[in-house]
Amino acid sequence: AQSVSQHNHHVILSEAASLELGCNYSYGGTVNLFWYVQYPGQHLQLLLKYFSGDPLVKGIKGFEAEFIKSKFSFNLRKPSVQWSDTAEYFCAVISDYKLSFGAGTTVTVRA
Amino acid sequence: DAGVIQSPRHEVTEMGQEVTLRCKPISGHNSLFWYRQTMMRGLELLIYFNNNVPIDDSGMPEDRFSAKMPNASFSTLKIQPSEPRDSAVYFCASSFSGTTGAFFGQGTRLTVV
Repeated sequence: AQSVSQHNHHVILSEAASLELGCNYSYGGTVNLFWYVQYPGQHLQLLLKYFSGDPLVKGIKGFEAEFIKSKFSFNLRKPSVQWSDTAEYFCAVISDYKLSFGAGTTVTVRA
Repeated sequence: DAGVIQSPRHEVTEMGQEVTLRCKPISGHNSLFWYRQTMMRGLELLIYFNNNVPIDDSGMPEDRFSAKMPNASFSTLKIQPSEPRDSAVYFCASSFSGTTGAFFGQGTRLTVV
């Protein structure tokens, strides 16, 4: 069975700091990978996705993620965060039509 | 396209009552997911459909929960009877064969008192 694990439960950082959120998945077959963001009180929105090709994927709002197949990882990064990036971030894997999410990482950006 | 549409947005009901949550997926999408989100348990996949057929309902917590997808444009999640521990935000999401990523509805906030 596929699973997704996110390393950090809660990350607190200051504006302009760099952000990296870890994500590992366990599944031996073909997977499509995603990062979603959920702002307080809102639904999940797609940040970026990886299907194939260049393992470095760029998404919206200055986020990017790198797929490292050998490590089964898909880490999310942003060079310089803003207060408005305060949200919960979810890594997700879809395989055989099943979309599974990690537990989420709450990111708090202090002004 | 209006995106994934869920109704109602908020539902408050008494314990023991039947609750029906509704979802209209994005036109053309053939996969539909129901999730439940709580502070304690995070985001849980309850059930998902592909081409209107339930593929995996192992996440449905109890027999009190049931879901249907009678056609490509409509799905329901029913709880009967409802209990206070069912209080959560229920999200519906749809995708096209897993290739598009899933698009989420606004969610239904259910409160069972």
